[in-house]
Formats: sequence, C-alpha cells, structure tokens
Amino acid sequence: DGGITQSPKYLFRKEGQNVTLSCEQNLNHDAMYWYRQDPGQGLRLIYYSQIVNDFQKGDIAEGYSVSREKKESFPLTVTSAQKNPTAFYLCASSSWDSKKETQYFGPGTRLLVL
Amino acid sequence: AQKITQTQPGMFVQEKEAVTLDCTYDTSDPSYGLFWYKQPSSGEMIFLIYQGSYDQQNATEGRYSLNFQKARKSANLVISASQLGDSAMYFCAMKGGYALNFGKGTSLLVTP
Repeated sequence: DGGITQSPKYLFRKEGQNVTLSCEQNLNHDAMYWYRQDPGQGLRLIYYSQIVNDFQKGDIAEGYSVSREKKESFPLTVTSAQKNPTAFYLCASSSWDSKKETQYFGPGTRLLVL
Repeated sequence: AQKITQTQPGMFVQEKEAVTLDCTYDTSDPSYGLFWYKQPSSGEMIFLIYQGSYDQQNATEGRYSLNFQKARKSANLVISASQLGDSAMYFCAMKGGYALNFGKGTSLLVTP
C-alpha cells in the first residue's frame, strides 16, 4: 500500500542530545514537509522540500535540520539548539501533478524530553 | 500574510444529526485552496475535502460538504448524519505558497 511512514512513534531526548525523526513515502511525491504541533494548536511548518537535494526553512526552523538525499526520504534532526522540542511532529508529502497539491500526512512522532 | 480562524474550540452533536464547523480566512491572493483535515486521537491528519477559490460549486465528499462563501471569506465544513467515529479534532487550512497554514482546530464530540 502507498503511504507515508514515520518512525519512531515515540522518541525520548536527553538534554544536549540530537535526535533524528524518520519520514519515508512511497507515493512518488516530489514535495515533502515537516510540521510541529503543540497541544491545543494547529500545525506549524518547520521545513519543506520541493525536490531532491533542495529544502527551505519554514516558520519555525531554528534548532532543526533536514536533508533530502532521496525522493522517498526526508529525515528531520532536532538539535540541542532547540530548547523546547517536546511536541508532536508530522511529516507530509504532496504531488505536483495534482491540481490541488493535497498534502497527505504520516502517523506522527511524539518527542519528549527527559 | 494568510490567516485562518476557527472560532469554535469545541462542539457537541448528537449521532445522526448534521453539524457545521466554522472557518474564516484572510488572504490577498486571488487564487488559493482551502482544505479540511480530521485528526482523531491517534494523531494522524486525515484529508477530508478541498475547495479551490475559482471552483464554481461547493465541494462535496460523501458526508462532508463545504459551504464556501467567497465574499464573506468563509469555508465552513458540514458533516451530515454524524457518526460516533466522527469525534475528533477538525482543522481548516489554506495553501499559502508551498505549505499549509492551519487554524487552531475545533474539537467535535458526537454523542449517542
């Protein structure tokens, strides 16, 4: 089945530690996105990538980094510079072929700081 | 800048009744797209329905329909014949540039 997978489902980070969240899609979508969701809030854009080897900062990119070496994969690293990383992280992808460019989401990763 | 406003933090509806979730938006772009997503307690965002700013008719997808009033800049979601499984958070979003701008959501609880 086509879709977006994210791992792990839960992730615990110690102070000063970098952690990487995985996002993989087999929908053959060109564009991929990372969003952050805090309790009682909507989603906010961290980074997005329109094509392989290219990505752009979103509204809240500080303390995060990404790479896009393959079309299928868009991992997000939460660095020690991100002082408040506890949140729900959602990855999405979309296709240029679709007029709507609807974004489809993965199941998310919950990050907690120990 | 684009802005999405959802003024109803929580809504209740009885099973089999219809419910309307409000969404207003602000944009200076003449061409835009509006989306509704459902987020159950599991956390996944599920795409429900899309409305383009130039679409002549209101969008419908099964039990979901969109009451699009362009002059009022509103795009309300109507869920007909509510089911217990419709209990979830609902988010309105607008496509701005390459990404989506989301409202803060409305929590819907369907009661027996």
